[in-house]
Amino acid sequence: QQQVKQSPQSLIVQKGGISIINCAYENTAFDYFPWYQQFPGKGPALLIAIRPDVSEKKEGRFTISFNKSAKQFSLHIMDSQPGDSATYFCAASKYDKLIFGTGTRLQVFP
Amino acid sequence: GAVVSQHPSRVICKSGTSVKIECRSLDFQATTMFWYRQFPKQSLMLMATSNEGSKATYEQGVEKDKFLINHASLTLSTLTVTSAHPEDSSFYICSARDRGAGKDYGYTFGSGTRLTVV
Repeated sequence: QQQVKQSPQSLIVQKGGISIINCAYENTAFDYFPWYQQFPGKGPALLIAIRPDVSEKKEGRFTISFNKSAKQFSLHIMDSQPGDSATYFCAASKYDKLIFGTGTRLQVFP
Repeated sequence: GAVVSQHPSRVICKSGTSVKIECRSLDFQATTMFWYRQFPKQSLMLMATSNEGSKATYEQGVEKDKFLINHASLTLSTLTVTSAHPEDSSFYICSARDRGAGKDYGYTFGSGTRLTVV
């Protein structure tokens, strides 16, 4: 009930391509779904977040798509750049606790 | 924006000694602070949640006597790893929630502390 499943584990994308990372959750009580970017040796930084009353949210090159009925949400990174190479975590929250997905290591090659 | 300062960034200690890690919210008051542990190439695992002035709530399987958490003010929480052993070596990350964040929930993470126990 508390798990957030994330896929793929790793992703290789060419510069300019679209990176897509998917997450699925089980607990329908979750009401906040953020995505975080983490570079080696650093703490995670918030990229973008969505609430379940919205199906899509876009901020710059980053878009979250949210499917409430399927209990799935995804991160799309448009025009991927080498500087986007990092580990990405989805997460879900209710009553303060953030539950993290397993992470996706993204590598963007020039 | 909200900033969380975590110190030290790296610490090496001898087995059997204790280590204290500080987490400060610099420009906001944190109603709640969280402590996570992250092993190499793995996800963040929540260890405990602390609210200012009250005892921390530990996740299942986390030894509260080994990982002492103090949340003495709205801007400072500390994690003390007592009688550290090599298996406690890990990356520890704190997070603070801005009480004024409203709808956005306002979780901000520190930069992490790499603990190595030798």
